[in-house]
Amino acid sequence: QKEVEQNSGPLSVPEGAIASLNCTYSDRVSQSFFWYRQYSGKSPELIMSIYSNGDKEDGRFTAQLNKASQYVSLLIRDSQPSDSATYLCAVNNSGYSTLTFGKGTMLLVSP
Amino acid sequence: EAGVAQSPRYKIIEKRQSVAFWCNPISGHATLYWYQQILGQGPKLLIQFQNNGVVDDSQLPKDRFSAERLKGVDSTLKIQPAKLEDSAVYLCASSGRGRGPSYEKLFFGSGTQLSVL
Repeated sequence: QKEVEQNSGPLSVPEGAIASLNCTYSDRVSQSFFWYRQYSGKSPELIMSIYSNGDKEDGRFTAQLNKASQYVSLLIRDSQPSDSATYLCAVNNSGYSTLTFGKGTMLLVSP
Repeated sequence: EAGVAQSPRYKIIEKRQSVAFWCNPISGHATLYWYQQILGQGPKLLIQFQNNGVVDDSQLPKDRFSAERLKGVDSTLKIQPAKLEDSAVYLCASSGRGRGPSYEKLFFGSGTQLSVL
């Protein structure tokens, strides 16, 4: 069973700080990695995707991928209270393009 | 562009009853997914369709769950009979045509919240 592991949190950060969310995965041949944000009572929405080792930046968000260590992370700079949500890491399963999701990390940004 | 449509939004049933959920994906999206999300957990894939064929149903409890996508467009997911542990949000998602990164970006519907009493 392919696994995606995340700390459930909550991760609490003050407004304006950097939030760092981490994810590890078990399938070494995974190729595609995604971060979804899910507000309470809402559906997941895609915020970042990354396919190559290194960093990928999009506005206040930076995704980092290290395939050798099998981890992917999401940094949120200048965190805002509106960033308070659960962040789901998702990894594609080799061969089927089927995503496996982690349990998610709850982020709380306090004003 | 319309998003993924799901209905009903909420459903309350008693155990051993049956229930059905409906999903209409984004127009042109070949791949349709049904996920189950239990409170406090991440979404778990139940079944993935490519057009009207099943790609992956390895985690679908086939003794009680069934799904179909007869014309390669909309889909229904059925539970019969329901158990208490089926209480969850059932999410439908779709993704675009072809291979490559865009193929793997999922767009989710608003979900159906099922409570089994």
